[in-house]
Amino acid sequence: DAGVIQSPRHEVTEMGQEVTLRCKPISGHDYLFWYRQTMMRGLELLIYFNNNVPIDDSGMPEDRFSAKMPNASFSTLKIQPSEPRDSAVYFCASSWGVGTPNTEAFFGQGTRLTVV
Amino acid sequence: AQKVTQAQTEISVVEKEDVTLDCVYETRDTTYYLFWYKQPPSGELVFLIRRNSFDEQNEISGRYSWNFQKSTSSFNFTITASQVVDSAVYFCALSEGGLGNEKLTFGTGTRLTIIP
Repeated sequence: DAGVIQSPRHEVTEMGQEVTLRCKPISGHDYLFWYRQTMMRGLELLIYFNNNVPIDDSGMPEDRFSAKMPNASFSTLKIQPSEPRDSAVYFCASSWGVGTPNTEAFFGQGTRLTVV
Repeated sequence: AQKVTQAQTEISVVEKEDVTLDCVYETRDTTYYLFWYKQPPSGELVFLIRRNSFDEQNEISGRYSWNFQKSTSSFNFTITASQVVDSAVYFCALSEGGLGNEKLTFGTGTRLTIIP
């Protein structure tokens, strides 16, 4: 398996623009997570899905952030409008769920977002 | 609320020395999971180990070993005979209840530098 695939790897955008980050989880995994890493706040969970359904979005910073999972093999994290404080590395991760012995999350390589 | 503390911000050791990374956690749950992840300079997060709260056996995997002590709420990680490739940021993480993959709370990480 190719692992969790995120795109783009790097994104530079101007303040106010819409940004869409994409994630393809490992095939067969039924959990998908979006994390954000910054120097100030470290690694924090934004939202996670189980079987394509959002389960907990309490980590989403504000209404400018939205996430979708239209099918088992694709998810997006959208920021509209973007602000400089959104600059961070965004990680997507996926894992197996009920009935499997190992449910640790496997992370993608991250998308480094810079908002200028 | 759950919390993970990695008091060591940065550690430098000379190659071949042993090094221990400390992790102290706080949780009110009786069922929880502890993890270690490695983040090399390339940026991805690499899963190293998962431990559930009912399994206090120490684990050894090659040069890596983990010491889980519920009495002191600690889950320390030791690298024996360190190598330059071990240079990375190491994160300890905690997940309460469930399957162990939901809502990982990460520590702030320890940056380990192995000096050749």
